[in-house]
Amino acid sequence: EPEVTQTPSHQVTQMGQEVILRCVPISNHLYFYWYRQILGQKVEFLVSFYNNEISEKSEIFDDQFSVERPDGSNFTLKIRSTKLEDSAMYFCASWWTSGRKTQYFGPGTRLLVL
Amino acid sequence: DQQVKQNSPSLSVQEGRISILNCDYTNSMFDYFLWYKKYPAEGPTFLISISSIKDKNEDGRFTVFLNKSAKHLSLHIVPSQPGDSAVYFCAARVSDRGAQKLVFGQGTRLTINP
Repeated sequence: EPEVTQTPSHQVTQMGQEVILRCVPISNHLYFYWYRQILGQKVEFLVSFYNNEISEKSEIFDDQFSVERPDGSNFTLKIRSTKLEDSAMYFCASWWTSGRKTQYFGPGTRLLVL
Repeated sequence: DQQVKQNSPSLSVQEGRISILNCDYTNSMFDYFLWYKKYPAEGPTFLISISSIKDKNEDGRFTVFLNKSAKHLSLHIVPSQPGDSAVYFCAARVSDRGAQKLVFGQGTRLTINP
């Protein structure tokens, strides 16, 4: 079965540094998402992306965050200047418009900001 | 914001018995409800879903029940197997401007005892 993949699996960075998290969604999917889960908390929606633009974003997704799909396959989440509270698991998800009404999630990137 | 709540952080069940995981929601605009299973260091894996216009959906050992008047859904696993031990997340879908974002509960850690 096709899978969503994410790289890297782990990322350690210093506060204030930029990080880019990468995702390869399932190839025929049209909607792309980023979620995050801070340790011990629930999975939270960050942003959805469709037709090369953001379709919705949460309050968490402030000006420090950006997403893009530069080459038609990779879907990236950039955090411009990381803060300690950005430490979390970041999950990419994708979905098509038909078939099962579900988003398929990648394995996640564990980001640790020191 | 507690639109989706799973009030039991953990549940322990004997192998072969029924596991019942519960979820409550507050937003009447949710149109689809999903259950995801998550192992440590992995992304959520889709299990089963139900449309808001149905009251039951069954898939093998998994059955989801929806009580719209009570804004409550439950996942039944029968018979429970050791491999079912994981964290289970209830999620509700909001189809707002096509974005289809998911709102997650806090999760219930299910442990199946041999």
